[in-house]
Amino acid sequence: DAGVTQSPTHLIKTRGQQVTLRCSPISGHKSVSWYQQVLGQGPQFIFQYYEKEERGRGNFPDRFSARQFPNYSSELNVNALLLGDSALYLCASSLAPGLAGTDTQYFGPGTRLTVL
Amino acid sequence: QKEVEQNSGPLSVPEGAIASLNCTYSDRGSQSFFWYRQYSGKSPELIMSIYSNGDKEDGRFTAQLNKASQYVSLLIRDSQPSDSATYLCAVKGGSYIPTFGRGTSLIVHP
Repeated sequence: DAGVTQSPTHLIKTRGQQVTLRCSPISGHKSVSWYQQVLGQGPQFIFQYYEKEERGRGNFPDRFSARQFPNYSSELNVNALLLGDSALYLCASSLAPGLAGTDTQYFGPGTRLTVL
Repeated sequence: QKEVEQNSGPLSVPEGAIASLNCTYSDRGSQSFFWYRQYSGKSPELIMSIYSNGDKEDGRFTAQLNKASQYVSLLIRDSQPSDSATYLCAVKGGSYIPTFGRGTSLIVHP
């Protein structure tokens, strides 16, 4: 079975530009979460969507936005890029995030974003 | 603020030894606990999840949960050099969002 997929794998942008990252969950999973991970830190939560509704938002500025589509895939958009946005962006999917036993998250390979 | 604490390490163990990784958390209402392995430059890979007090074994890995003391640990038996990685602990309470620790770097030397 296919796991979580993300595109692109790598991305180089300049300050002020906008970027869109894409994620497809494991088949049957209805929840997608986005994380930002910088070197030496654990993943920091950005957004979670379940059944196409936003279920959580982390402490990130409004430059970050996301959405989930009817097929449960998701996009993360970041506007007005800053040097500090350089990081590994991770997408994780789960069956149902609110129930113990179905809330296990599986990560995609990530998108490495470099802002110059 | 919910916190998950891990010793950043590195924890260095010889090949064949038992590696013990620990994680403490602040939210007493936490219900779901996860261990992930992350190789350098790669994404986290699930090792196991645990929900009830006690031990859960999967191959060479054993997760131990003690909710009263608010800690969860991961034991790796017969450690191999291929186990060298960063191990992330994640804890989830009644909300939908897990909180991750910073990870413990494990080095298994031949």
